[in-house]
Amino acid sequence: GAVVSQHPSRVICKSGTSVKIECRSLDFQATTMFWYRQFPKKSLMLMATSNEGSKATYEQGVEKDKFLINHASLTLSTLTVTSAHPEDSSFYICSARPGGAGETGELFFGEGSRLTVL
Amino acid sequence: AQKITQTQPGMFVQEKEAVTLDCTYDTSDQSYGLFWYKQPSSGEMIFLIYQGSYDEQNATEGRYSLNFQKARKSANLVISASQLGDSAMYFCAMREFLSGGYQKVTFGTGTKLQVIP
Repeated sequence: GAVVSQHPSRVICKSGTSVKIECRSLDFQATTMFWYRQFPKKSLMLMATSNEGSKATYEQGVEKDKFLINHASLTLSTLTVTSAHPEDSSFYICSARPGGAGETGELFFGEGSRLTVL
Repeated sequence: AQKITQTQPGMFVQEKEAVTLDCTYDTSDQSYGLFWYKQPSSGEMIFLIYQGSYDEQNATEGRYSLNFQKARKSANLVISASQLGDSAMYFCAMREFLSGGYQKVTFGTGTKLQVIP
């Protein structure tokens, strides 16, 4: 199946710094990528939908200036957590799907990135 | 309001038995899709099965089948002949098609399945 790679898998940073997480589709072009956040033993909470060549669509309650999303190419989306605080510590997962509008295929997930803010 | 509801936070099943994980959804759209994913303790999300709203037949993938009841807005996952390796969190998710060709996928709260030897 298709592969989505996420990097880094684990990151520890100091409070107040910024952290960038990359999500790459390795063998397909992804016009849309999704960013999720997952707290321990909880569900995946959709943060934003990243659309190649246009602005990301953020879910209600997610701070756009805090979680910067850039979908610069058809194979790469990045999530930058700016001015990180300990409450931003979480598991961040990206997902992507091949194809264009109306595609009903499988949604492929990255391995996830565990962020710990000290 | 929750768009995807999984009412079973945890389930136990005997090895080799079948188990049904419940999922109900809420949408007024005619076109949508429903997924089930498995998340082991390692954290990765493993795709299990997909059902499109216009698919007349229930989706099946090996030991997994999706009991799709459109009128009741339910999409239960049935796992036959449970194996110890099936112990994991299971998430139901819904894909909505938005204007402009965009999509949105939201997840339920999950069900933790434990298979007992």
